[in-house]
Amino acid sequence: DVVMTQTPVSLPVSLGGQASISCRSSQSLVHSNGNTYLHWYLQKPGQSPQLLIYRVSNRFSGVPDRFSGSGSGTDFTLKISRVEPEDLGDYYCLQSTHFPNTFGAGTKLELK
Amino acid sequence: QVQLKESGPGLVQPSQTLSLTCTVSGFSLTSYHVSWVRQPPGKGLEWMGVIWTGGSTAYNSLLKSRLSISRDTSKSQVFLKMNSLQTEDTATYYCASDQYWGQGVMVTVSS
Repeated sequence: DVVMTQTPVSLPVSLGGQASISCRSSQSLVHSNGNTYLHWYLQKPGQSPQLLIYRVSNRFSGVPDRFSGSGSGTDFTLKISRVEPEDLGDYYCLQSTHFPNTFGAGTKLELK
Repeated sequence: QVQLKESGPGLVQPSQTLSLTCTVSGFSLTSYHVSWVRQPPGKGLEWMGVIWTGGSTAYNSLLKSRLSISRDTSKSQVFLKMNSLQTEDTATYYCASDQYWGQGVMVTVSS
């Protein structure tokens, strides 16, 4: 199975600051069709996960442009600029290129 | 609009079988796949399995021997069955389809 190594586990930030979360996969996430199925989710306390970024760098509908995803192959990053209170919560990467799909262990974005 | 809603027992005894239902609305199961994801209290997300539009399935290799996902397209329902439950299976269970997630159902395994 593909192992998703997500860092850091905890990320203290100041409001208005910037945050960066890394996700590395144990094998390439490039599908045979050429697409890379790496996605980012945010789970706020007591809520279901919500999709932020799909296929590496595509912001889902309604997601502010403060969120950006990048990367290729096995190395991916989610960046959040100008952090706002509603951005706090647990972030997860998910790969759906290979089966079984696998999540990263999560990053808790919290106030410094 | 698209909705998914999980239902099932909140409490299951150890060694018993868990049966959950995901009822969807706003889309057809023959057009969109549905996955199951679970989350133990205070822990991360675990992908469990998926049923594709054609009815085929794929499972988490760690759960494969205990897990079965099926559906009834006429009722817009997807079913999860997992046997030999242990306390480690205590979790919130979600069904999801692409960007749409249900609210989750908490299942506790305890005698």
